[in-house]
Amino acid sequence: SQTIHQWPATLVQPVGSPLSLECTVEGTSNPNLYWYRQAAGRGLQLLFYSVGIGQISSEVPQNLSASRPQDRQFILSSKKLLLSDSGFYLCAWSLVHGSGNTIYFGEGSWLTVV
Amino acid sequence: ELKVEQNPLFLSMQEGKNYTIYCNYSTTSDRLYWYRQDPGKSLESLFVLLSNGAVKQEGRLMASLDTKARLSTLHITAAVHDLSATYFCAVGGGSTLGRLYFGRGTQLTVWP
Repeated sequence: SQTIHQWPATLVQPVGSPLSLECTVEGTSNPNLYWYRQAAGRGLQLLFYSVGIGQISSEVPQNLSASRPQDRQFILSSKKLLLSDSGFYLCAWSLVHGSGNTIYFGEGSWLTVV
Repeated sequence: ELKVEQNPLFLSMQEGKNYTIYCNYSTTSDRLYWYRQDPGKSLESLFVLLSNGAVKQEGRLMASLDTKARLSTLHITAAVHDLSATYFCAVGGGSTLGRLYFGRGTQLTVWP
């Protein structure tokens, strides 16, 4: 069966520090991968998605970047965090087609920028 | 950009009662999702609706889709405390499957 893991689960970072959140998927090949952010009390907003290694699409201009160095690995990064980067970050994956068009979410990473 | 509006945003209901959450969206889409989120947790997939008139039921929850009206509903029957959570609808935008636009969520509290 397929599983998705992301880490770290929680982190507190000072303003101006770098960030790296990692997400891996097991049990499937060539998935579409996604990074979402949820601000407090709000719905989710898509930040980046990737349909293949090295292919990154950005949905909103921001202080963050994403990379996909391997087929089942997706990394969210920042060189210098801002207070507004605080939130709940969720990695997700889907097949390109089939499997009921379901999108599967990871456990999430809580980021607090202080 | 595709806009998704949910209402109500907050819902407090007594156990045993029925209620409906509404999800309107601004442009045509071929897929609509309902998710549940418990406090501090990730999203749990409830329903995937892919065609006009689609209706799916799981326990006390039933979701429907009217693509012509760009409206989906999540109906709660005989609510129980365990249903307390935040419910999100999300609409697919574009051809990339997981490219979703989310509503702000409906925070449901069920009390005895």
